Amino acid sequence: GAVVSQHPSWVICKSGTSVKIECRSLDFQATTMFWYRQFPKQSLMLMATSNEGSKATYEQGVEKDKFLINHASLTLSTLTVTSAHPEDSSFYICSARAPATDTQYFGPGTRLTVL
Amino acid sequence: QKEVEQDPGPLSVPEGAIVSLNCTYSNSAFQYFMWYRQYSRKGPELLMYTYSSGNKEDGRFTAQVDKSSKYISLFIRDSQPSDSATYLCAINGGSQGNLIFGKGTKLSVKP
Repeated sequence: GAVVSQHPSWVICKSGTSVKIECRSLDFQATTMFWYRQFPKQSLMLMATSNEGSKATYEQGVEKDKFLINHASLTLSTLTVTSAHPEDSSFYICSARAPATDTQYFGPGTRLTVL
Repeated sequence: QKEVEQDPGPLSVPEGAIVSLNCTYSNSAFQYFMWYRQYSRKGPELLMYTYSSGNKEDGRFTAQVDKSSKYISLFIRDSQPSDSATYLCAINGGSQGNLIFGKGTKLSVKP
């Protein structure tokens, strides 16, 4: 199957700092990528939809100024958590939609811990 | 009513058992149905992908869609301890083309 990578896989930061997470589709071009957040023992919650070359579409309740998304190329989308706080600590997972299908392939996730 | 309903379990079975995992959905217009497997602290891995009704088999895994009753199933034959994970059903029905997930069923296969 298609491969999606995420970097970093694990990050610890101080409250008030910003953290950037990268999501890359390694063997296909993805015009659309999705960012999810998952709290322990919960299912994935969609945060935003990222379309290459345009502004991201955020789900209700997700602050676009706090979670900055950039999809500058067909293989890379980034999520920046600005002024992170402990309540932002979570597992962030991206997915990329494979072309000509409706399947999505997920990255391995990034575990963010804000102290 | 939530768009996708899935019993969260947990479900515990002995090795070699047949496992049946199920989801129901509310919108009859949904066409694409997927099953993902997620190990602890990992991203979901696509297991099966089905379009419209019918069965699809891949090794020990069979995905089944019954659109008349809006019911999707994943069967695992000869279950192994390595199958222990959370299984998420997903439907491609979001307004942004995103997936709508069930809550996931945590499966434990005991040796």
